[in-house]
Amino acid sequence: DVKVTQSSRYLVKRTGEKVFLECVQDMDHENMFWYRQDPGLGLRLIYFSYDVKMKEKGDIPEGYSVSREKKERFSLILESASTNQTSMYLCASRKGDRDYEQYFGPGTRLTVT
Amino acid sequence: GQSLEQPSEVTAVEGAIVQINCTYQTSGFYGLSWYQQHDGGAPTFLSYNALDGLEETGRFSSFLSRSDSYGYLLLQELQMKDSASYFCAVSPPTDSWGKLQFGAGTQVVVTP
Repeated sequence: DVKVTQSSRYLVKRTGEKVFLECVQDMDHENMFWYRQDPGLGLRLIYFSYDVKMKEKGDIPEGYSVSREKKERFSLILESASTNQTSMYLCASRKGDRDYEQYFGPGTRLTVT
Repeated sequence: GQSLEQPSEVTAVEGAIVQINCTYQTSGFYGLSWYQQHDGGAPTFLSYNALDGLEETGRFSSFLSRSDSYGYLLLQELQMKDSASYFCAVSPPTDSWGKLQFGAGTQVVVTP
């Protein structure tokens, strides 16, 4: 079974702090994604990566950056956390060549106070 | 861009059939996917329609009509464990990296 793990289930940070969210997948997938999920808005793509050190902006990249130094690990960075970044953050991975199924991690509930 | 619309909530009793509609406005896409998410859990893949027509997977079926810009997920013989949120998603036509555009989700509430 594919397993996608995220470093924290719940996280509380203060405004202005730098926040790192880590995601690891164990199935050698090329593509990895970071979403945020808010009530009534569904899942919105923040960033994705299609290979090591490669990244592309999603629909809402402002205030975020990412890092992919190893194939299995994809990090989301909030450079200076703000209260409007309080949300559920979901990581996903997918095999390459247009396989349509994404595998999601359990999510990190981030609260910025 | 893409815009997907689905009802916010559907309530039904155990054993019933529920249809969750997904209408979209997009110039084209590779296919329509459906994901299930239990409260507090991760979204999990349910089905994918690359072509028009019906795809059946056990109690769940998914349908796509590109000409009508419409798809649906059909849940049959509802069970209490089917209480969850269901999301439709499309892959943009210009994308080759597996990005998905999600609808806002439909909460299905199954009552005894």
